[in-house]
Amino acid sequence: AQSVTQLDSQVPVFEEAPVELRCNYSSSVSVYLFWYVQYPNQGLQLLLKYLSGSTLVESINGFEAEFNKSQTSFHLRKPSVHISDTAEYFCAVTVSGSARQLTFGSGTQLTVLP
Amino acid sequence: NAGVTQTPKFQVLKTGQSMTLQCAQDMNHEYMSWYRQDPGMGLRLIHYSVGAGITDQGEVPNGYNVSRSTTEDFPLRLLSAAPSQTSVYFCASRPGQGTYNEQFFGPGTRLTVL
Repeated sequence: AQSVTQLDSQVPVFEEAPVELRCNYSSSVSVYLFWYVQYPNQGLQLLLKYLSGSTLVESINGFEAEFNKSQTSFHLRKPSVHISDTAEYFCAVTVSGSARQLTFGSGTQLTVLP
Repeated sequence: NAGVTQTPKFQVLKTGQSMTLQCAQDMNHEYMSWYRQDPGMGLRLIHYSVGAGITDQGEVPNGYNVSRSTTEDFPLRLLSAAPSQTSVYFCASRPGQGTYNEQFFGPGTRLTVL
């Protein structure tokens, strides 16, 4: 069975600073990887996903994540954060080519400070 | 499109009471699911459905029932509420059964069981 570990539960960072949110997964087979974002008092929204092909994927609001198979990681990065990026971020994994369900990590609360 | 809607937004129950959390989607999605979100534990899958008339258990199904009589609706029933069911509940849907598809989440129901 697959599993996801988000190593940091809280990440405070100053506005315009870079940030990295870490995600490691465990699976013996090929996977699909996702980052979802949850703004306060809202449901989750898809931020970006890796299915196949280029290991670097980008979102429309400046986040990017790189799939690293050897390190079983899918870390999320942004070179310069804004106050509006304050949210909880969830990494999720599923086995590719199957109907197996998504497994979510425990989440990382990103707080951008002025 | 309204997307995924959930009612109520907030609910307080006493131990032993029953209630139904409503979920509806207007995107003609085959797949629907219910998650609970607890601090430090991410989202855990309660039940899911791959189409009208078909449901299955997720990771934490005990104490919850579901049915799927139409494509649009997927209610979650708590038969005898317990304090351990205090949580935020999210309904989600996605097109088809492929886990590579984005899941669309409702705004959530915050449930407190006294």
